[in-house]
Amino acid sequence: DTAVSQTPKYLVTQMGNDKSIKCEQNLGHDTMYWYKQDSKKFLKIMFSYNNKELIINETVPNRFSPKSPDKAHLNLHINSLELGDSAVYFCASSQLRGTEAFFGQGTRLTVV
Amino acid sequence: DAKTTQPPSMDCAEGRAANLPCNHSTISGNEYVYWYRQIHSQGPQYIIHGLKNNETNEMASLIITEDRKSSTLILPHATLRDTAVYYCTRLSSGSARQLTFGSGTQLTVLP
Repeated sequence: DTAVSQTPKYLVTQMGNDKSIKCEQNLGHDTMYWYKQDSKKFLKIMFSYNNKELIINETVPNRFSPKSPDKAHLNLHINSLELGDSAVYFCASSQLRGTEAFFGQGTRLTVV
Repeated sequence: DAKTTQPPSMDCAEGRAANLPCNHSTISGNEYVYWYRQIHSQGPQYIIHGLKNNETNEMASLIITEDRKSSTLILPHATLRDTAVYYCTRLSSGSARQLTFGSGTQLTVLP
């Protein structure tokens, strides 16, 4: 039973399109995150949500918007996709005052 | 802004101990040292963390120097499945739990 699951695993789309990546965690964690891993393998945090409140918002384009319908889900919406958005996006969750974060398996987004 | 510094790559013979160093000379008093690994583009996996005492769990040991400016992750008996990128990162104990990953060390375990 997967702890943090993301869908889809692969996403190929054209420039200018709008797409969403879904994330669900069944660990009962109160905080969820989105990370972006570029071609150089650097992992950069994009957003984190705690109890439906955005607590960290890195300097990402406002074309990216996280949406959390409930504590177990944090979806990532991307508008007007650009070539530079191509990357692997990881969802993660943790307890706000806990220890380790658990990561999903990633969504490889390719913008053509 | 490199908050941690790690060698880009290391090799280790199967069955031997793998010692992965990390420099975090600007770490502050309330920041923990965390280690994660990423196996071939899978999601990062938590390994261990510590504040100032040495720590050990079923996966690894973490040795933190007395001045806390550096640490070493030890995999006591490396296997081929330990081949991965190992990330050393630091995290404050405050409410903003932001993990910042550096470039990591590619560990290759050789048969």
